[in-house]
Amino acid sequence: DAGVTQSPTHLIKTRGQHVTLRCSPISGHKSVSWYQQVLGQGPQFIFQYYEKEERGRGNFPDRFSARQFPNYSSELNVNALLLGDSALYLCASSLGPRRGNSPLHFGNGTRLTVT
Amino acid sequence: DQQVKQNSPSLSVQEGRISILNCDYTNSMFDYFLWYKKYPAEGPTFLISISSIKDKNEDGRFTVFLNKSAKHLSLHIVPSQPGDSAVYFCAASVDNYGQNFVFGPGTRLSVLP
Repeated sequence: DAGVTQSPTHLIKTRGQHVTLRCSPISGHKSVSWYQQVLGQGPQFIFQYYEKEERGRGNFPDRFSARQFPNYSSELNVNALLLGDSALYLCASSLGPRRGNSPLHFGNGTRLTVT
Repeated sequence: DQQVKQNSPSLSVQEGRISILNCDYTNSMFDYFLWYKKYPAEGPTFLISISSIKDKNEDGRFTVFLNKSAKHLSLHIVPSQPGDSAVYFCAASVDNYGQNFVFGPGTRLSVLP
């Protein structure tokens, strides 16, 4: 079975631009979460979506938004990029929305560099 | 302010010996904890979890111990193997209805042959 797939793998953007990151969950998984990992730190929770509804939001500005599609894939959008948005963006999927449903299965991430 | 701390950035262990990775947390509301392993250029992989109603959970070579009074948990790997060399993240949760996990900064484990 294919794991969580993310695209693109690498991306370079300029300050002020907009970026869209994409994620396809494992087949049968209905929950998708997004995490940001800055160099030297652990992943930080951004969003969780389940059945196209937002289930949770971390401490990120409104420049960050996301959505989930009927096929359970998801997009993370970031507007007005700042240098500090440079990070590895991880998408994770699970069977259900609750922490006990199944563990998070992470993709390999999208490395975003803002110059 | 870090709510989940992993105070050892790195750890080296001889193959076949025990690896002990430590994690401390400050939020007493955390009631569910996990360990993830991450290889370079890959996403984190789930290893083991523990609920606050337990103080120990085992899965093969991996055992997690939880000391709620000390707000401390540890991951024991016995015996350590070179393939265990990776960055290990401790994570914690207060939300039973979601998957909002707070991760520590990670500990890089090197298992020497």
